[in-house]
Amino acid sequence: EAGVTQFPSHSVIEKGQTVTLRCDPISGHDNLYWYRRVMGKEIKFLLHFVKESKQDESGMPNNRFLAERTGGTYSTLKVQPAELEDSGVYFCASSPGTGIYGYTFGSGTRLTVV
Amino acid sequence: QKEVEQDPGPLSVPEGAIVSLNCTYSNSAFQYFMWYRQYSRKGPELLMYTYSSGNKEDGRFTAQVDKSSKYISLFIRDSQPSDSATYLCAMSGYSWGKLQFGAGTQVVVTP
Repeated sequence: EAGVTQFPSHSVIEKGQTVTLRCDPISGHDNLYWYRRVMGKEIKFLLHFVKESKQDESGMPNNRFLAERTGGTYSTLKVQPAELEDSGVYFCASSPGTGIYGYTFGSGTRLTVV
Repeated sequence: QKEVEQDPGPLSVPEGAIVSLNCTYSNSAFQYFMWYRQYSRKGPELLMYTYSSGNKEDGRFTAQVDKSSKYISLFIRDSQPSDSATYLCAMSGYSWGKLQFGAGTQVVVTP
């Protein structure tokens, strides 16, 4: 079974540019989550999809961040325009309908805004 | 105050020793408690999970939850150099939602 796939693995962009991160969850997993870890801080929740619907987006920091999950398969997280404080590692996770015990994380996208 | 407190370490132990890790939390609504292991440049990998209070054992790993004290622990027996990683506690108030993570403790097991 393929795991959660994220790409790119690393992205360096200039302040003000746009970056789009992609996550391919495990096939059949209805739940998809985005988290991020900024330098020196704990991993923090951003949002949760159930299929194509946003179940909880309480962790999204501001309206520069836009997440989509068209068709309930892969998801994208766009940052526009990027700011220096957006630098960090963005993790995607997926789980089946049965809950968090099946949570599987991807390896993350390391975003550096210069 | 953070919802979940975890000492970042590093915690260095000799091979074969017991590794003791813990987290405290403030939100009494948390019912699901997990420990993740994270190697460098990788995503967190679920090690153990526990619902409510109690102990759970899986091989060399034992997880304990004391909800009355809002304190959870992970013990690793007979530690190996391959156990060197960052260990993260995580918790949630319900079975399908977002996780609240601790900062992670870096563990180094020396041969």
